[in-house]
Amino acid sequence: AQSVTQPDIHITVSEGASLELRCNYSYGATPYLFWYVQSPGQGLQLLLKYFSGDTLVQGIKGFEAEFKRSQSSFNLRKPSVHWSDAAEYFCAVGEKGGSYIPTFGRGTSLIVHP
Amino acid sequence: DAGVIQSPRHEVTEMGQEVTLRCKPISGHNSLFWYRQTMMRGLELLIYFNNNVPIDDSGMPEDRFSAKMPNASFSTLKIQPSEPRDSAVYFCASSFSVGGLKEQYFGPGTRLTVT
Repeated sequence: AQSVTQPDIHITVSEGASLELRCNYSYGATPYLFWYVQSPGQGLQLLLKYFSGDTLVQGIKGFEAEFKRSQSSFNLRKPSVHWSDAAEYFCAVGEKGGSYIPTFGRGTSLIVHP
Repeated sequence: DAGVIQSPRHEVTEMGQEVTLRCKPISGHNSLFWYRQTMMRGLELLIYFNNNVPIDDSGMPEDRFSAKMPNASFSTLKIQPSEPRDSAVYFCASSFSVGGLKEQYFGPGTRLTVT
């Protein structure tokens, strides 16, 4: 069965600092990979996705993620964090050509210090 | 596009009462998902519909929960009777999934409190 691990429950960064959120997946086939963000009191919003092609994908709000098949990882990065980036971040994986049901990680809570 | 619409946004009810949550997916989407989110259990998939047909309801906690999708533009999640442990935020999400999972679009959620 596929699984997604987000090893960091909480991450604290200072405003303006760089950010990397980790995501590892366990999956045998070609995965579809997603990052979502959830601001307090809101639903999840898609940040970016990877289906195929260039392994470095750009998303909204200045985020990017890199798919590394050899490491089964899809880490999310941002060069300079803004206070408004404080939120919960979820990594999700789906199956290419298969089940339409994604598997979500438990989420990483990002805290931004001024 | 208005996005996924959920109603009500907040619901407070007493134990034993029936609760109905509503969802209008994005027009043209063929997949609809109901999730429940709590601090303890995180985000849980309750049920998944494809082309209005329930495909996977293995996440539905028990017979007190039921979901319907009478047409492509409307779905309901009903809890009868409700219990305090059902208190959570319930999300509806839709997607256009052909040839495999695509990105999901989430509604703002319904915060349910059962006293």
